[in-house]
Amino acid sequence: ETGVTQSPTHLIKTRGQQVTLRCSSQSGHNTVSWYQQALGQGPQFIFQYYREEENGRGNFPPRFSGLQFPNYSSELNVNALELDDSALYLCASSLIGREAFFGQGTRLTVV
Amino acid sequence: AQTVTQSQPEMSVQEAETVTLSCTYDTSESDYYLFWYKQPPSRQMILVIRQEAYKQQNATENRFSVNFQKAAKSFSLKISDSQLGDAAMYFCAYRSFQGGSEKLVFGKGTKLTVNP
Repeated sequence: ETGVTQSPTHLIKTRGQQVTLRCSSQSGHNTVSWYQQALGQGPQFIFQYYREEENGRGNFPPRFSGLQFPNYSSELNVNALELDDSALYLCASSLIGREAFFGQGTRLTVV
Repeated sequence: AQTVTQSQPEMSVQEAETVTLSCTYDTSESDYYLFWYKQPPSRQMILVIRQEAYKQQNATENRFSVNFQKAAKSFSLKISDSQLGDAAMYFCAYRSFQGGSEKLVFGKGTKLTVNP
């Protein structure tokens, strides 16, 4: 197993609510990336954080936002949840330009 | 924009046999990395093998090897002596590095079943 941990492992939210997902990066890693994996699909890049700054963003609306803390852990926030936001959310940590290590993901269900 | 295509939604193989998973990609970059990831039911993405585009030699990791054809933009994974534990979703991925930002672009995956 990698040193990347995500919490919670599962959660259920109601449409319109807000959610925060958390990721602890592997020791020594300064970069965290978030991916959304819909059922039966490959992961899609949401954004990347490097040294507490957003360092690239995929094709996701502004209601997807994030933070990276001084210890390089990270949060993914999603506002105004929609049914289509139901997915597995994966966090990956790395040193910039090096191999990414993934956590086990958070399964979000929006009802 | 970079794209990754996996044309085989599902594959099956007998235990101890060999199977090849296909992947093609599209990019205008000359230097990049390609990866195969395994995702078992535990959901965690596990790196199987990595290939640097500037290296002509195909990468090998124990029973796993790739056939990297840069001109054809093809990157297939060969699993030899298949084991029951190899059963999982396999994703081909391209690492894009532009403007100081990097991201992985994944294919839709191939579900591998290993039959005893």
